[in-house]
Amino acid sequence: DQQVKQNSPSLSVQEGRISILNCDYTNSMFDYFLWYKKYPAEGPTFLISISSIKDKNEDGRFTVFLNKSAKHLSLHIVPSQPGDSAVYFCAANYGTSYGKLTFGQGTILTVHP
Amino acid sequence: DGGITQSPKYLFRKEGQNVTLSCEQNLNHDAMYWYRQDPGQGLRLIYYSQIVNDFQKGDIAEGYSVSREKKESFPLTVTSAQKNPTAFYLCASSLNAEQFFGPGTRLTVL
Repeated sequence: DQQVKQNSPSLSVQEGRISILNCDYTNSMFDYFLWYKKYPAEGPTFLISISSIKDKNEDGRFTVFLNKSAKHLSLHIVPSQPGDSAVYFCAANYGTSYGKLTFGQGTILTVHP
Repeated sequence: DGGITQSPKYLFRKEGQNVTLSCEQNLNHDAMYWYRQDPGQGLRLIYYSQIVNDFQKGDIAEGYSVSREKKESFPLTVTSAQKNPTAFYLCASSLNAEQFFGPGTRLTVL
């Protein structure tokens, strides 16, 4: 049972444009969401997170939006840069205390110069 | 430098052999985790530990074992009972919901 889904395996955008990566979840108990970026043969690095009490969180070029009623979150990258090319994973958790993260399958983002 | 180290980066083993993957952290985090990543799939949780001398099975624990004798260390043993051991293994630690990952170990069973 895939509780966190990233339905787009890949996304290709032009440098300078917006990248929008999407993530859906089914478990209404999730209340904390994270995005990770991963390069091949490396560990994921944390990008940005959002608590369910918010609907938007922004950090520089990265913004995460949360739509609780639709159980949907998205990561916007503006402007996209070639160095952003990587696999992006969304993950969900119960609360902000440590615990198990449930990951989506990942979306491969390619930013063309 | 604070962080998580995993060794070795690449590991080759013959089928039927047990192999232990190392994970060490100096972040003073209580919780540690082991994940497996297969091509085209997300990270799947194998085992996790919230405190020394305690650990719990994740979603795909069969064929794996762990120990947590020290706060800094959380080694993973891939046993011969694991049907498809070839994968990329990631260790992580956390103080809260944000997990920090090591560089990973690519295990290939021949």
